[in-house]
Amino acid sequence: AQSVTQLDSHVSVSEGTPVLLRCNYSSSYSPSLFWYVQHPNKGLQLLLKYTSAATLVKGINGFEAEFKKSETSFHLTKPSAHMSDAAEYFCVVKGYQKVTFGTGTKLQVIP
Amino acid sequence: EAGVVQSPRYKIIEKKQPVAFWCNPISGHNTLYWYLQNLGQGPELLIRYENEEAVDDSQLPKDRFSAERLKGVDSTLKIQPAELGDSAVYLCASSLQQGNYNEQFFGPGTRLTVL
Repeated sequence: AQSVTQLDSHVSVSEGTPVLLRCNYSSSYSPSLFWYVQHPNKGLQLLLKYTSAATLVKGINGFEAEFKKSETSFHLTKPSAHMSDAAEYFCVVKGYQKVTFGTGTKLQVIP
Repeated sequence: EAGVVQSPRYKIIEKKQPVAFWCNPISGHNTLYWYLQNLGQGPELLIRYENEEAVDDSQLPKDRFSAERLKGVDSTLKIQPAELGDSAVYLCASSLQQGNYNEQFFGPGTRLTVL
């Protein structure tokens, strides 16, 4: 069985403050984990991926995520939010021949 | 290098009409996915192809949906007849041969409105 839970449907932060988007997963296999971003009326874009090489993964636009096996978590963070970060973010788990998307977290950045 | 191409970008039809979506994946990508994304939700897999073979179509409503990937490159997704509940964004994605570490590259999607 495989599932992914994004714990917050909406997150609101002020510009320049840290961002934390939470993701928990379950998988019967050693999964790969991904974060994608979707801006309005745009396609999904890969932010970063975990493939077991390193538990702290750095992605594009200053985002990073830490894989914590003991907590089955893969939370996405950024030290300082920018207005252009406002979008929807999806956590994805990929196990043996199966891909599962979370329900998404909408990030609002307040000027 | 061109990304995943989808057409049309938008489609408005009346219920009970047929509709088709087309996808051209990134060159060299053997794996092709069709997803359905409802407003405010994550994408849900409809069908996955490895080359020309549909290897996972368990979530495809086969009474009205069909798909093909002739020659293992382009793909078409069809709905006949369309229902009001089919209004959604249909996403196509491709990746290198199926493997845990290969990320998917997504097209811009086709937004379908059924009236």
